[in-house]
Amino acid sequence: DAKTTQPNSMESNEEEPVHLPCNHSTISGTDYIHWYRQLPSQGPEYVIHGLTSNVNNRMASLAIAEDRKSSTLILHRATLRDAAVYYCILRDFNNDMRFGAGTRLTVKP
Amino acid sequence: DAGVIQSPRHEVTEMGQEVTLRCKPISGHNSLFWYRQTMMRGLELLIYFNNNVPIDDSGMPEDRFSAKMPNASFSTLKIQPSEPRDSAVYFCASSSRSYNEQFFGPGTRLTVL
Repeated sequence: DAKTTQPNSMESNEEEPVHLPCNHSTISGTDYIHWYRQLPSQGPEYVIHGLTSNVNNRMASLAIAEDRKSSTLILHRATLRDAAVYYCILRDFNNDMRFGAGTRLTVKP
Repeated sequence: DAGVIQSPRHEVTEMGQEVTLRCKPISGHNSLFWYRQTMMRGLELLIYFNNNVPIDDSGMPEDRFSAKMPNASFSTLKIQPSEPRDSAVYFCASSSRSYNEQFFGPGTRLTVL
């Protein structure tokens, strides 16, 4: 399975943008890049996913490098409720989802 | 929509006892996943079903663990006999296709004494 590498933790100030990086140098042509987050004492929740082009939704934006070996999840204005562990996951069409350690985001007021 | 429903939310049992965790997926979803989360190992996929059929159970730790999905609206994860190292939070998730966005339940916190 292709692996992802994320920083263990990051900090942000409230109402500032947050850029969460993910490296996936062994990504294959059919792997989608998925992001999930897990708030304290909750199950993971879907954030966004993409294949090659940058993607936007109401929660976040996903910027994918041209060579697809890295991506960045962008929270445009962090709030205290965005404090969570963020997981970057590669998924092939036929594969299940394997979570890594993720990045623990702390948002300071 | 009520989302994915798991029961019980908390379970405390003694070593050697049988434990059954239950999951009701979102109506209309065809895929169901069981995960286990611990501090040491993080979030691990145990097994997943497509259209009630187990597709990949390579994550099931050992024969003490078994999972069934008798119909599209119900699944169980059974541990018999339970051991203290099985203590973890067990999540169930469902999706409309195996490769689509997964919706997770609130989890069952299992403590085996």
